[in-house]
Amino acid sequence: SQQGEEDPQALSIQEGENATMNCSYKTSINNLQWYRQNSGRGLVHLILIRSNEREKHSGRLRVTLDTSKKSSSLLITASRAADTASYFCATDPPLKAAGNKLTFGGGTRVLVKP
Amino acid sequence: NAGVTQTPKFQVLKTGQSMTLQCAQDMNHEYMSWYRQDPGMGLRLIHYSVGAGITDQGEVPNGYNVSRSTTEDFPLRLLSAAPSQTSVYFCASSYDGQGGSPLHFGNGTRLTVT
Repeated sequence: SQQGEEDPQALSIQEGENATMNCSYKTSINNLQWYRQNSGRGLVHLILIRSNEREKHSGRLRVTLDTSKKSSSLLITASRAADTASYFCATDPPLKAAGNKLTFGGGTRVLVKP
Repeated sequence: NAGVTQTPKFQVLKTGQSMTLQCAQDMNHEYMSWYRQDPGMGLRLIHYSVGAGITDQGEVPNGYNVSRSTTEDFPLRLLSAAPSQTSVYFCASSYDGQGGSPLHFGNGTRLTVT
């Protein structure tokens, strides 16, 4: 079953605009990660935020985490055509059981028009 | 630096046939896993391994077998293919099996079962 649900499912913006997507999850987590998937390729890790962090930056990416609302957002600033991809959030369970068993959401498809 | 390599890239099977999807990584990662990706479903974990000789089931293990005889290789076997197994399969590895370790993905195997 999906732990994370991304919103919106699809997003179309002009180059230079900001893109924001949200992820909601159901159970407590240790970490939340965001991945990007270009068409026909595997997922690429973008950023990880731990449950005790509220905000994290990496280049043009800004991630927030609100554990009280069980939600996270990914902001891509000054978007480029190369940012066209699907974006997925992934969570790991709070218990330190064996295995890096990430649960992925259904993704947000982002189209950046030149 | 190859990372995670999956073969084949594409495969068509008839119902009832068996096959093995290959996955190899050259990063000396302890943790390896298999996911399937279906439209609107995100990625679902099939099987995973926290080290050579150790495997365990994920969310959707039925119809699949795995083994981990070396650190580098983690093949996925379809025992008797069914149309419901039509999907894109991704192998992913991480440095260790602890939560918070980013996954490195291969580029996937697109499987069609007729």
